[in-house]
Amino acid sequence: LAKTTQPISMDSYEGQEVNITCSHNNIATNDYITWYQQFPSQGPRFIIQGYKTKVTNEVASLFIPADRKSSTLSLPRVSLSDTAVYYCLVGDGGDKIIFGKGTRLHILP
Amino acid sequence: NAGVTQTPKFRILKIGQSMTLQCTQDMNHNYMYWYRQDPGMGLKLIYYSVGAGITDKGEVPNGYNVSRSTTEDFPLRLELAAPSQTSVYFCASSQGTGFSSYGYTFGSGTRLTVV
Repeated sequence: LAKTTQPISMDSYEGQEVNITCSHNNIATNDYITWYQQFPSQGPRFIIQGYKTKVTNEVASLFIPADRKSSTLSLPRVSLSDTAVYYCLVGDGGDKIIFGKGTRLHILP
Repeated sequence: NAGVTQTPKFRILKIGQSMTLQCTQDMNHNYMYWYRQDPGMGLKLIYYSVGAGITDKGEVPNGYNVSRSTTEDFPLRLELAAPSQTSVYFCASSQGTGFSSYGYTFGSGTRLTVV
């Protein structure tokens, strides 16, 4: 199972772009990179998934370099409601997926 | 479309009691999972199932049991509850392997306190 490493916490201000980087040095060929968002007292919510290069949806962008040993979740123009814990997961879905501690993002006014 | 439904939402158990946490999904997902989340911590996998009749242990299976008799249901059984099992329990499901198919859908959680 590919292990991931993320910053424990980050602070940012409303309107800023936030980038959260995840390291996954032993990612396997069949693995995808998926990010989840979790608000207090709620289950995690799928944000974005990618395999290589760049993926963008209405919520975020995911940048993956050619070697795929890291990935960066980019949240454009954050608001207070983006305060949450963000998890980076790596796997192909065919096995047990292990959540790390995630990155606690705190958005300041 | 209800997604993943967990019951109950809250429960207080006395030490040594037993209970079953219910989880049902209506998306015809093959894969189902049980996680626990302690305050301020990440999620830890308890058990998972890749289909009806198949279950396997996760990171922290001790003190728990599961069964998967149907695709829809994946109950988690706590035998002889202990204070260390005080946590929030999340059930999740996914379609399975492959790109864009294994995103998890989580339930709203069961907050369990053992006193």
